[in-house]
Amino acid sequence: SQKIEQNSEALNIQEGKTATLTCNYTNYSPAYLQWYRQDPGRGPVFLLLIRENEKEKRKERLKVTFDTTLKQSLFHITASQPADSATYLCALNTNAGKSTFGDGTTLTVKP
Amino acid sequence: DTGVSQNPRHKITKRGQNVTFRCDPISEHNRLYWYRQTLGQGPEFLTYFQNEAQLEKSRLLSDRFSAERPKGSFSTLEIQRTEQGDSAMYLCASSTFLGQGSFEYGYTFGSGTRLTVV
Repeated sequence: SQKIEQNSEALNIQEGKTATLTCNYTNYSPAYLQWYRQDPGRGPVFLLLIRENEKEKRKERLKVTFDTTLKQSLFHITASQPADSATYLCALNTNAGKSTFGDGTTLTVKP
Repeated sequence: DTGVSQNPRHKITKRGQNVTFRCDPISEHNRLYWYRQTLGQGPEFLTYFQNEAQLEKSRLLSDRFSAERPKGSFSTLEIQRTEQGDSAMYLCASSTFLGQGSFEYGYTFGSGTRLTVV
């Protein structure tokens, strides 16, 4: 069956360090992969989208990689700040309609 | 345009009652999605529309759930005979789909409607 797995444990890091979050998937052939940020009690907010033929994408302090051979995406936040503390969700889309979400990784950045 | 709007923000209902939620998407977006999210889980797909056509419904969606998008604008999600297991955050999102073979951009989500069934 299709499965999306994100870091099962919450991630705690010190301010200024780089946070790296993982999204692994099985039995999917996604056309593209998205990353979202979600704060408690709010809807997810779109951050970045990467297509199957792209290896890496950057936006300000964010970087996403996509390895379709490993079936894995890595999401990096450089120079992390306490304001980056949130739950981060990855979502896959096969270009057939809906996106399917992972359960998210909670990141806490300590000052 | 102020983004995706969902009403009400919170709803408490007694088991067995019917509830209806409303979603107003971004006006330029042609796709509208409903997701359900429980604590500690990611959003779970329920259904989506392209314009006024409902293109897919999750197999997890029982016949107590129905969604409409008349005239391809706002959408409503109705749950009949609510059960305690229906307690969750119901999220609406919209996006632009450019056609077969193209790629969608990210979804814009509303703040959700939190349903509590007592």
